[in-house]
Amino acid sequence: DTGVSQDPRHKITKRGQNVTFRCDPISEHNRLYWYRQTLGQGPEFLTYFQNEAQLEKSRLLSDRFSAERPKGSFSTLEIQRTEQGDSAMYLCASSRAQGFSYEQYFGPGTRLTVT
Amino acid sequence: SQQGEEDPQALSIQEGENATMNCSYKTSINNLQWYRQNSGRGLVHLILIRSNEREKHSGRLRVTLDTSKKSSSLLITASRAADTASYFCATDENSGYALNFGKGTSLLVTP
Repeated sequence: DTGVSQDPRHKITKRGQNVTFRCDPISEHNRLYWYRQTLGQGPEFLTYFQNEAQLEKSRLLSDRFSAERPKGSFSTLEIQRTEQGDSAMYLCASSRAQGFSYEQYFGPGTRLTVT
Repeated sequence: SQQGEEDPQALSIQEGENATMNCSYKTSINNLQWYRQNSGRGLVHLILIRSNEREKHSGRLRVTLDTSKKSSSLLITASRAADTASYFCATDENSGYALNFGKGTSLLVTP
């Protein structure tokens, strides 16, 4: 199976620590997305890459969040100085570049718990 | 911000019955998608309907789209216990990139 993979699947960290998550998209997909999902809510968009270019960022992405996709393949999402409000499931998705009609394939997510 | 709003928030039915859930959204869209999420398989794409389409079928799924009312419905026919999951509609607004999800409908199918 060559679906979207994310690592780690679970992360527990203390408030104030930095954390980094990795996403490996489906190999032929050049679009990559990050979402955040809290309990009882749908996923909320954070940021989007086309190849290595970060083209869109949500207002949810504060200065403590940074995402990269250095070679247009895998991506990392770093959260600096974590806060308890950052506790959530972080989802990565990828898609082909096919204009405006596309489906996104999601990874299993990284569950972050900030204590 | 979340654009889609699903209704009902929760739905409980018996196996073999049909399940209908609705989604309303606020702005113009290029397409609307439905996703399913359960603890075992994460978020899975079910079906995409373009703004110029009114109805689409995929197996036991039937989706309708009414752009004049900014609403969509998802019908699951002959439901099975394995359909138990949360169902989300997602729209693309006008950017075509970010998906805006609703809060979802939690479906429970009992044997």
